[in-house]
Amino acid sequence: EIVLTQSPGTLSLSPGERATLSCRASQSVSSSYLAWYQQKPGQAPRLLIYGASSRATGIPDRFSGSGSGTDFTLTISRLEPEDFAVYYCQQYGSSPRGFTFGPGTKVDIK
Amino acid sequence: QLQLQESGPGLVKPSETLSLTCTVSGGSISSSSYYWGWIRQPPGKGLEWIGSIYYSGSTYYNPSLKSRVTISVDTSKNQFSLKLSSVTAADTAVYYCARLDTAMVHFDYWGQGTLVTVSS
Repeated sequence: EIVLTQSPGTLSLSPGERATLSCRASQSVSSSYLAWYQQKPGQAPRLLIYGASSRATGIPDRFSGSGSGTDFTLTISRLEPEDFAVYYCQQYGSSPRGFTFGPGTKVDIK
Repeated sequence: QLQLQESGPGLVKPSETLSLTCTVSGGSISSSSYYWGWIRQPPGKGLEWIGSIYYSGSTYYNPSLKSRVTISVDTSKNQFSLKLSSVTAADTAVYYCARLDTAMVHFDYWGQGTLVTVSS
């Protein structure tokens, strides 16, 4: 089973700053099968990025994803007040078939 | 607009079976482009995938839960369901249902989630 590790655990930043979140896999992951989600308190996760770098419908272009192999990055170019939340990466694997999520990175207001 | 809604008991006793249903509206559960899945989140913790099902009834499960999980689909009602047997306090969580895009393999629509507490 592929294990995802996210760093840092918490990122304290101010509105307007750039956020860089890391997701590292224990084995190589197909870029097609790497996604990022945002979750705010009391809400369901929301799909941000799929296929490592494609933005989901309605997601602002300040969100971008990159990476390949075992190292993936979510970048928020300029933090807006509504971006302070927890972010999870997720991968799909074929052997065994299934999904794993990273432990999450919390982006909070400095 | 596609909507998913979880329903079921909010309290289950230890050793009993947790049962939840997800009702899909605004779209057909029988679409060939999608699977449907269950994900859970213990209070204050991260996300754990439970399992997924296709409209044909084909399923795959998280190996760590496989012995206790059954997911089924009722296309006539546009619903799919989760059964988790022999529950313990560790199964206390918010349970989400979600649509799974089979092409790029991500969860693009989620229900609001339902809290299930395991307690006597």
